[in-house]
Amino acid sequence: GAVVSQHPSRVICKSGTSVKIECRSLDFQATTMFWYRQFPKQSLMLMATSNEGSKATYEQGVEKDKFLINHASLTLSTLTVTSAHPEDSSFYICSASSGVDQPQHFGDGTRLSIL
Amino acid sequence: GDSVTQMEGPVTLSEEAFLTINCTYTATGYPSLFWYVQYPGEGLQLLLKATKADDKGSNKGFEATYRKETTSFHLEKGSVQVSDSAVYFCALMDSNYQLIWGAGTKLIIKP
Repeated sequence: GAVVSQHPSRVICKSGTSVKIECRSLDFQATTMFWYRQFPKQSLMLMATSNEGSKATYEQGVEKDKFLINHASLTLSTLTVTSAHPEDSSFYICSASSGVDQPQHFGDGTRLSIL
Repeated sequence: GDSVTQMEGPVTLSEEAFLTINCTYTATGYPSLFWYVQYPGEGLQLLLKATKADDKGSNKGFEATYRKETTSFHLEKGSVQVSDSAVYFCALMDSNYQLIWGAGTKLIIKP
């Protein structure tokens, strides 16, 4: 149980385009979803926390207009990287939880490469 | 603020060797503690957890005991396999229910 599906697993696109990443909880209701960014050889950095039906809470230093997060249902959250540039290239990972005090279950991540 | 410190990698061992990856933390109160594993090319997976002092989490032959007196949560395995090669992350859940991560330790097991 507790499967989280993240799609796509890899994206390569040109600078200036927008990229949408989906995160789905397949067998449980995810009241809370998290988006992380992993820089090479570094640990995860929390970008934002989203609760179903509410606006996402962004961490300091994360641009809200750059990284649009939508959590419209209990099974789906999306991260849209708008007008992506090479410095946005990274590994993005989502996780989902059925409650704030419950373990997080992670997707397999999306490797984003901006040319 | 809360923080997690784990030993730097890479850690290189031969198959069937004993493994210890150290993890210590600083936190207010008594946070839940976790070990996550990231296999090559995959996302993070929860390996084990402990929610209170003296709890022992275990899974797939790995163990870690929540030590309040030493603020530690060291990961151990008695006999590692090549398939255990991965990056291991220690984490705590702070009072806001957010995960605070260690930097990760890469484990390389040689046949």
